[in-house]
Amino acid sequence: KQEVTQIPAALSVPEGENLVLNCSFTDSAIYNLQWFRQDPGKGLTSLLLIQSSQREQTSGRLNASLDKSSGRSTLYIAASQPGDSATYLCASINNAGNMLTFGGGTRLMVKP
Amino acid sequence: GAGVSQTPSNKVTEKGKYVELRCDPISGHTALYWYRQSLGQGPEFLIYFQGTGAADDSGLPNDRFFAVRPEGSVSTLKIQRTERGDSAVYLCASSRGTGDEQYFGPGTRLTVT
Repeated sequence: KQEVTQIPAALSVPEGENLVLNCSFTDSAIYNLQWFRQDPGKGLTSLLLIQSSQREQTSGRLNASLDKSSGRSTLYIAASQPGDSATYLCASINNAGNMLTFGGGTRLMVKP
Repeated sequence: GAGVSQTPSNKVTEKGKYVELRCDPISGHTALYWYRQSLGQGPEFLIYFQGTGAADDSGLPNDRFFAVRPEGSVSTLKIQRTERGDSAVYLCASSRGTGDEQYFGPGTRLTVT
């Protein structure tokens, strides 16, 4: 059974700092990996999807990398802003492509 | 275009009652998923539909839970004889096809008293 772990569970940084969120998964046989953002009391917003054949994806100040062989993904946020404060979740999709397995999330606080 | 919508946004029910939660996926998306999220945790998979059929219901916790998608669009998650442990946020997602990027609705917060 796939297990996804996110470290750290919580992170507080001053505005402007570059930061890295970590995600690890136990079963490397994944179809793809998706990063989400969740604001308090809200649903999930998809940030980036990395296909299993890709090494990274970029969107604006966000860059996600994937190393399937080591079971790791990272989300890099450049020049953090207070509006980036949210919970960030990573999730792997199984090879059947029908099920996301989520980590517990990293709660990010960016202080002005 | 319109995203995934879910109704109701909040539902409070008494232990033992029956509830239905509705999901309207993005138009044209053939795959639909239900997840459940408890406080402070990541969502957990419940069931997946491809078209009208439940292609994978391995995440449903027990036989009090079932879901339908009769016309391949709107889906309803049904919970019988609700228990306090069923209290959670129920999230619905859809994707263009199997394995494609999943887009989530705002969720239904279910509270069983």
